Amino acid sequence: DSGVTQTPKHLITATGQRVTLRCSPRSGDLSVYWYQQSLDQGLQFLIQYYNGEERAKGNILERFSAQQFPDLHSELNLSSLELGDSALYFCASTRGNGADTQYFGPGTRLTVL
Amino acid sequence: AQSVTQLGSHVSVSEGALVLLRCNYSSSVPPYLFWYVQYPNQGLQLLLKYTTGATLVKGINGFEAEFKKSETSFHLTKPSAHMSDAAEYFCAVSVNSGYSTLTFGKGTMLLVSP
Repeated sequence: DSGVTQTPKHLITATGQRVTLRCSPRSGDLSVYWYQQSLDQGLQFLIQYYNGEERAKGNILERFSAQQFPDLHSELNLSSLELGDSALYFCASTRGNGADTQYFGPGTRLTVL
Repeated sequence: AQSVTQLGSHVSVSEGALVLLRCNYSSSVPPYLFWYVQYPNQGLQLLLKYTTGATLVKGINGFEAEFKKSETSFHLTKPSAHMSDAAEYFCAVSVNSGYSTLTFGKGTMLLVSP
């Protein structure tokens, strides 16, 4: 158990819908990272937050957004969902903002029908 | 920008045989290198990492990796495979900058036969 929690574990929804994925980092960790894992693209970095502020952006679509709240949990919002958004979404956390070891949560499996 | 290439999407070994999973990286600055393992329906677990110092790094479950700057490689090895090692393995690179993120390879699925 990494100490990172993600909810829900599974999510099934329809095209065009909007969903919110939630991540709670390890106790004391200030950074949260979001990744998407799909068969086509592999593991891709989406976005990073550090202590409530966006710090780095990767291959995140404009339909996707994220935020980190004062209690340091983070939410990833996916809107206007398409079939191709079906994937595993992981969050990871680190103590600081640099090249620390990232501890991964169990992931949320999103299925868009 | 950095990148990672993992040679072989699938590697098959017999139980007790040597495990060798290959990883080559590209980075314009000194890299930090990681190996993660993913068991079915689970998140990624850190096996080992190289940041600075000793180039031979030992990790959990008997795995080790050697950083070879001249070859831009960070191959993962284990002397004797167990059935429980069957999983997907990811090599990743990062750099020690202010806003550092991980870039992952495509992954290698390790299959262990009795």
